[in-house]
Amino acid sequence: SAVISQKPSRDICQRGTSLTIQCQVDSQVTMMFWYRQQPGQSLTLIATANQGSEATYESGFVIDKFPISRPNLTFSTLTVSNMSPEDSSIYLCSATSGTYTGELFFGEGSRLTVL
Amino acid sequence: AQRVTQPEKLLSVFKGAPVELKCNYSYSGSPELFWYVQYSRQRLQLLLRHISRESIKGFTADLNKGETSFHLKKPFAQEEDSAMYYCALMRKTSYDKVIFGPGTSLSVIP
Repeated sequence: SAVISQKPSRDICQRGTSLTIQCQVDSQVTMMFWYRQQPGQSLTLIATANQGSEATYESGFVIDKFPISRPNLTFSTLTVSNMSPEDSSIYLCSATSGTYTGELFFGEGSRLTVL
Repeated sequence: AQRVTQPEKLLSVFKGAPVELKCNYSYSGSPELFWYVQYSRQRLQLLLRHISRESIKGFTADLNKGETSFHLKKPFAQEEDSAMYYCALMRKTSYDKVIFGPGTSLSVIP
């Protein structure tokens, strides 16, 4: 298993600013993902964070808006750039270890409110 | 396109009654399906996966490829089962990813 810590847990941001969310895992993991959960909605995959290379983005998400870093096997960041109220969501970091079986471990999420 | 649907957004049952949370999927390949659960003030966690064919906390789920369904069942609901339940599908392409359904909020009435 893996324990995932995210920070900040919540923040209130002004329109047009950017915020970086950090994700730390307590053990080396093979894959890390970032999901978004908009109010009243399910989880939507933003991207797969690849160690030492550019993230793999899902349709509808672009690097300029959601730059992601993963410098090592236990740490990743997601930046939400030039925020608008539509970016108000919970952002979730998730990871898996060993052979990817589909079991994901999740952080507690970062709740962003954009005014 | 790959998709997971859960027709019930909210489901209320009485304690001791059977519960069934519905999940349907569309996927051209061989699916791997999961149920994730989020209890109040806790993080999202895996409940069970179809490949394990196991019962967790009294819950079972059977993959029905003919009906493309993976319904979650429990014969006798308990109050502690009240939570948000997400059906999920692992999509295997050039890289694996998990797609989640919209979720069903289960409320067990004492």
